[in-house]
Parts: sequence; structure tokens; C-alpha cells
Amino acid sequence: EVQLVESGGGLVQPGRSLRLSCAASGFNFDDFAMHWVRQAPGKGLEWVAGLSWNSASIAYADSVKGRFTISRDNAENSLYLQMNSLRAEDMALYYCAKSVVKAAINKGYFDYWGQGTLVTVSS
Amino acid sequence: DIVMTQSPDSLAVSLGERATINCKSSQSVLYSSNNKNYLSWYQQKPGQPPKLLIYWASTRESGVPDRFSGSGSGTDFTLTISSLQAEDVAVYYCHQYYSTPPKFGQGTKVEIK
Repeated sequence: EVQLVESGGGLVQPGRSLRLSCAASGFNFDDFAMHWVRQAPGKGLEWVAGLSWNSASIAYADSVKGRFTISRDNAENSLYLQMNSLRAEDMALYYCAKSVVKAAINKGYFDYWGQGTLVTVSS
Repeated sequence: DIVMTQSPDSLAVSLGERATINCKSSQSVLYSSNNKNYLSWYQQKPGQPPKLLIYWASTRESGVPDRFSGSGSGTDFTLTISSLQAEDVAVYYCHQYYSTPPKFGQGTKVEIK
């Protein structure tokens, strides 16, 4: 059974940093691209970042470019999101999502999602 | 960037009746080399993550009831629930994965009339 379990969310002050993790199981983690998608309270889905199986291809939404860094450790079956210079508008539930393709950021839909980890940005 | 626009934003349908959600992309998501539309649909119930319903615009994910169907090509797509059930109350999102950045529609909330 595919499982994606996010962690690392919490309350953080504006301008500070947070690192999210996603532990994957039930599939060959290094065979698929992975993504982060967020959802602000009461709002829709916003793609944040994605990377290919070997991290050779990485892309970010304009809203987080230069502040967030996506990475993965295939040996640990884990996906990460380093979030720096956090803003109030970054407050959201952050989902880890598995792509159906290996090497591309696009060209793959998301077949499994985690339950999400909540990031609250407030002073 | 491709912009995805859904309509309506919300709709209320009687149990057993048809629900239709439209999704329009600002550019074609049809890949000519394989004739596939890079468009998927997700269902999100309150307090839950999104669930994949449809991919390649019209292919139902395993385990999804056949009352859900997707259609369309190029820039115009439709998700149809042929006979609405109580458990279908949710927000539905279309999603293009043709180009980076992947983009979602704003969502359509389906309720019972």
C-alpha cells in the first residue's frame, strides 16, 4: 500500500525557516518524480515544487522561487521542502504528492497524496 | 503559464441527477505526438487530501465509480457525475500536467439540492 506521511509543519514567525519531510513507502521511491502542493485555509490547490527521480530536474512556483528548496533522499525514501523567509501567504496545508512519471516535472498526474502537514506563519 | 478556469464555482444538484463541471485551459493540453490530453480531475472531501478520479482527460482511475466520467480535448474539458450520490459532495479540481508549472483550476464545490 502506497503511503506518504508528511511532517515538520508548525507555527513559525514571518521571516523564519521550516523544513518539511515526506516519508514514502509501498512503492519504489526512486522510480518516480515527487511534488509538493499546498492549500491555504479555505482555498484551492497550488503546486509548489517538483523534482525528478534523480533530482536532475527541479522546478518551483514563482511564488516560492528563491526561498524554498525541494530535495529528496532516495536511500531514505524521503522528500523534503526547505522553506526560508516564510511569509504570511505561505500559511497552508502542505501535501506531498507522487507523480506517475520518473524523469519529468510535468507530463505526469499525481496518483497518491499524503494527508498534509500544516504550516502556520504568524508573529 | 497555462491558466485553468473551472465553471461553475459551485453547484447544487438533486440526488440521482446529473452534475456537470467544466474546465477550460488557456492553451491546448493535447500533446500531438501521442494524441493524449494532459488533464486530470481530483475530488477533495472535507478534511481529506485530493483523490485522483480521472487522468488523460477521460481515463477513470481504478476503483472510481463509473458514474464519474471525463470528456473533452484541447482546451475544453468536462467532468460528469451521471447520478449524484450523497458521498459525492466534495470540491472537484481539474489539473493540467502538460507544462511546467502544473496548474489546478480554482475548484468547483458540489452540494446536494
